[in-house]
Amino acid sequence: TQLLEQSPQFLSIQEGENLTVYCNSSSVFSSLQWYRQEPGEGPVLLVTVVTGGEVKKLKRLTFQFGDARKDSSLHITAAQTGDTGLYLCAGGGYSGAGSYQLTFGKGTKLSVIP
Amino acid sequence: KAGVTQTPRYLIKTRGQQVTLSCSPISGHRSVSWYQQTPGQGLQFLFEYFSETQRNKGNFPGRFSGRQFSNSRSEMNVSTLELGDSALYLCASSLVESTDTQYFGPGTRLTVL
Repeated sequence: TQLLEQSPQFLSIQEGENLTVYCNSSSVFSSLQWYRQEPGEGPVLLVTVVTGGEVKKLKRLTFQFGDARKDSSLHITAAQTGDTGLYLCAGGGYSGAGSYQLTFGKGTKLSVIP
Repeated sequence: KAGVTQTPRYLIKTRGQQVTLSCSPISGHRSVSWYQQTPGQGLQFLFEYFSETQRNKGNFPGRFSGRQFSNSRSEMNVSTLELGDSALYLCASSLVESTDTQYFGPGTRLTVL
């Protein structure tokens, strides 16, 4: 069974601060996705990384996939109140039966205080 | 283009009852996946349907079942409800392949009393 550990579970910061969220596993994934979920809504895809060592930037968000494709990080620069939400990482891979499946971490709940 | 819709949005049931949840995918999407989200376990994969056939299944008991219709709409059913089934049930649709981007609906919040 593939597991993804996210840290920290909870994060409360002041507007303007920087933060990093981590997603770690002992398993290798073919891709790694990051989602943001707001209360009362489903997760929304932010980015997909597929190559070991890959770095992607989305405005103030920087995503990195580990060289061994087992871990990833999300860095937010100058956080804003609109960044508040639950951040989920999800690893994509094939099960023993040959079916592709997403395995989600439990999430990091981010609160940005004005 | 309309997003994924799920009905009902909220549901309260008692132990032992059964429940059916509905999901309408984005127009043109043929794959529908279901997930259970709880604070303790996070998002867990239930099953995936494509062309009216179950293509993939997670590690949930047989009380959890689903189906997909010819128009790609999907339903999931939970029989003999238990307190631990209280959760947010999310549906996600994708174009064809499991590896395609999944678009999530807002979920159905099920409370079992």
